[in-house]
Amino acid sequence: KAGVTQTPRYLIKTRGQQVTLSCSPISGHRSVSWYQQTPGQGLQFLFEYFSETQRNKGNFPGRFSGRQFSNSRSEMNVSTLELGDSALYLCASSLGLRVGDQETQYFGPGTRLLVL
Amino acid sequence: AQTVTQSQPEMSVQEAETVTLSCTYDTSENNYYLFWYKQPPSRQMILVIRQEAYKQQNATENRFSVNFQKAAKSFSLKISDSQLGDTAMYFCAFMKLSGYALNFGKGTSLLVTP
Repeated sequence: KAGVTQTPRYLIKTRGQQVTLSCSPISGHRSVSWYQQTPGQGLQFLFEYFSETQRNKGNFPGRFSGRQFSNSRSEMNVSTLELGDSALYLCASSLGLRVGDQETQYFGPGTRLLVL
Repeated sequence: AQTVTQSQPEMSVQEAETVTLSCTYDTSENNYYLFWYKQPPSRQMILVIRQEAYKQQNATENRFSVNFQKAAKSFSLKISDSQLGDTAMYFCAFMKLSGYALNFGKGTSLLVTP
């Protein structure tokens, strides 16, 4: 079974631009979560989607948004990029059903975003 | 809010030796999940082991085992027979049963030396 895939793997943008990152979950997984990883703040939760609905959201400004499609693929968008948005963005998928041992998140390789 | 603390930023161990990574957490929840994830230099985050808070038995996965002390809110990871491939950043993470967000600690960088 294929793992979680993320595209693109690397991105360079300039301040003020916007960016869209994509995540394809493991087949059969309906939950997709997004995390931002930086050296200073560590790993921080952005949001989680299940069946095209956002179920949970972290403490990030409204410039960070996401969506999920009917095939469970998810995208996150960051508008008006700031230097501080430079980070590794990780996507994770799970069944999302909160059923005992099934609730484990599996991570993709991440997208490295550099904002200049 | 839940906080996860990993008090050892860096650790080093020789091949074939045993090492224990510490993790403590703060929560008012009674049921939750705890995880250890490994992030090698290639950056792919990999699940090492998980523990359900309602299970008293400590989880084990081959060379990896945990010491889960619910009352003390402690969740340490023991790696036996360390291998060079165990070199990575190790993250302890907490998740409520009622939520879907993983709360991560700052990580412990483990170096396994020959």
